[in-house]
Amino acid sequence: ETGVTQTPRHLVMGMTNKKSLKCEQHLGHNAMYWYKQSAKKPLELMFVYNFKEQTENNSVPSRFSPECPNSSHLFLHLHTLQPEDSALYLCASSQDYEGWTEAFFGQGTRLTVV
Amino acid sequence: DAKTTQPPSMDCAEGRAANLPCNHSTISGNEYVYWYRQIHSQGPQYIIHGLKNNETNEMASLIITEDRKSSTLILPHATLRDTAVYYCIVRPQDPSNTGKLIFGQGTTLQVKP
Repeated sequence: ETGVTQTPRHLVMGMTNKKSLKCEQHLGHNAMYWYKQSAKKPLELMFVYNFKEQTENNSVPSRFSPECPNSSHLFLHLHTLQPEDSALYLCASSQDYEGWTEAFFGQGTRLTVV
Repeated sequence: DAKTTQPPSMDCAEGRAANLPCNHSTISGNEYVYWYRQIHSQGPQYIIHGLKNNETNEMASLIITEDRKSSTLILPHATLRDTAVYYCIVRPQDPSNTGKLIFGQGTTLQVKP
């Protein structure tokens, strides 16, 4: 248990569906991150939020839409995904965006697009 | 791009020390060496980090060479639960840093009975 909780743990969705991934932390952290991990590939950073403001978007397609309503919650809204978007989506948090020493990761959401 | 090089896989006998090497020949003076591990289908877990001195915590030891171009993560008594992918990451730790971790392919450590 890292203090970062992701729901759901598993998700199967069709290419025309709209779904959302949720991440929650009560560690008092101010920075939150979305990572994508495809099979046999390294983790890829998708989005970074610091104090609820998006500070980084690593050329992620618009079918992925992040939302950070407060420092404790982070969402990833999904729509019209492709089969190649199937992956493990990981959320992480850290004390702040600058100078932190340790990031805490959730267990991830295993997404399958059919 | 990841700024480290690690062997893709290693084996270790249960109860023995596991020594995982990492090359980071282009490391800058303000960059720290971090180690994370990822057990199958879970999120990565922080292990240890260091700048130039050797570090030890309850999980592992980190040995950094004097020129800082390489390091070794040591798990003193490996158990089956240590089977995971181990990531070595270099990252600056100063106010100008963007805070992100860049993961490479890591080393898959298989601890065998």
